[in-house]
Amino acid sequence: DVKVTQSSRYLVKRTGEKVFLECVQDMDHENMFWYRQDPGLGLRLIYFSYDVKMKEKGDIPEGYSVSREKKERFSLILESASTNQTSMYLCASRGRAYGYTFGSGTRLTVV
Amino acid sequence: DAKTTQPPSMDCAEGRAANLPCNHSTISGNEYVYWYRQIHSQGPQYIIHGLKNNETNEMASLIITEDRKSSTLILPHATLRDTAVYYCIPRGGSNYKLTFGKGTLLTVNP
Repeated sequence: DVKVTQSSRYLVKRTGEKVFLECVQDMDHENMFWYRQDPGLGLRLIYFSYDVKMKEKGDIPEGYSVSREKKERFSLILESASTNQTSMYLCASRGRAYGYTFGSGTRLTVV
Repeated sequence: DAKTTQPPSMDCAEGRAANLPCNHSTISGNEYVYWYRQIHSQGPQYIIHGLKNNETNEMASLIITEDRKSSTLILPHATLRDTAVYYCIPRGGSNYKLTFGKGTLLTVNP
């Protein structure tokens, strides 16, 4: 089975901190994605990457950046964390087959 | 992306079939219909997808109407562990993104 592993299940950070959320997949997938999920708003796409060093903005990229230096790893960066970035963050990957595989999520609280 | 309409919630008795409808009347010819579910506090899980033929796998069956404007996901013998939010998502082959709507909260009752 494809595994998508997110480095932390829960994180608490202070306002203004630089935050790194890490995601690793083990099936050589080309495409990787970062979503956030908030009550009443559902899952929203932040950024995605269709290959190493390639990235595209999703629907809500403001306040975030990403890094994909190796195929298996896709990092989401909050340059200066704010309280409105408190959310559940979900990473996903997709290969040539049809399905997307999601990680278990990181619940980030910014205080 | 095609818009979808799903009922916000449904109930089903354990052991019975759960039939989850989805309207996607604006779906285009090259868009598949994907179904995912999300159990509380977990990431979404792929269930099944189809283009125009009915599909079945070990998890579920997918019935797509001939005009492709709607589909139904069938869980043949629902269990308590099937309680989740179910998302119907049209997606074209060249489109990398999955766009999630609000989905249907299916509650399986004992």
